[in-house]
Amino acid sequence: KNQVEQSPQSLIILEGKNCTLQCNYTVSPFSNLRWYKQDTGRGPVSLTIMTFSENTKSNGRYTATLDADTKQSSLHITASQLSDSASYICVVTAHTGGGNKLTFGTGTQLKVEL
Amino acid sequence: DGGITQSPKYLFRKEGQNVTLSCEQNLNHDAMYWYRQDPGQGLRLIYYSQIVNDFQKGDIAEGYSVSREKKESFPLTVTSAQKNPTAFYLCASSSIKQGNHQPQHFGDGTRLSIL
Repeated sequence: KNQVEQSPQSLIILEGKNCTLQCNYTVSPFSNLRWYKQDTGRGPVSLTIMTFSENTKSNGRYTATLDADTKQSSLHITASQLSDSASYICVVTAHTGGGNKLTFGTGTQLKVEL
Repeated sequence: DGGITQSPKYLFRKEGQNVTLSCEQNLNHDAMYWYRQDPGQGLRLIYYSQIVNDFQKGDIAEGYSVSREKKESFPLTVTSAQKNPTAFYLCASSSIKQGNHQPQHFGDGTRLSIL
């Protein structure tokens, strides 16, 4: 069964600090992995997408890494800001003969405080 | 600006009532999707459509129906057969060329509650 597990479930950090969110998956056959940011009451917004051959992808202060061998990804946030407070969702796509199948993680709820 | 518009933002359903959630996009995307989001769970696919007048069931289609009469519009009806409709509903779209059938843009959701 395809699964995506994210940790921690929630996290509180002080403004200006860095943090790293984890995503472990058992999705096969792997096609790509995407990180989304979802503000409360809003729809998810794509931050990064990585295919099998990509190890690192950056988007401003967000840097995602992918280890396809261990089936792990991380999202590193540098110099956090209050506006980074949101849920961060990891989504892994399996490419099958019938098309693409997406498996969503449950998200990490990040709160940045003064 | 291009994007996806979902309405209403909040919706209340009475027992035995069907309700329809609106989703409109002006991104000229071919594919559109409906997801359901519940606390502590990942998004789950309800229905998707890759072309006008065609749509397929997702993982949790029971109790829901959709139509795709126009490329820009993909309304979702939550029927009385859906016994646990309280959730946050998200509509998404993608360009088949770029998105490879994966949702790229999401609307801001409709929160449905039971009265």
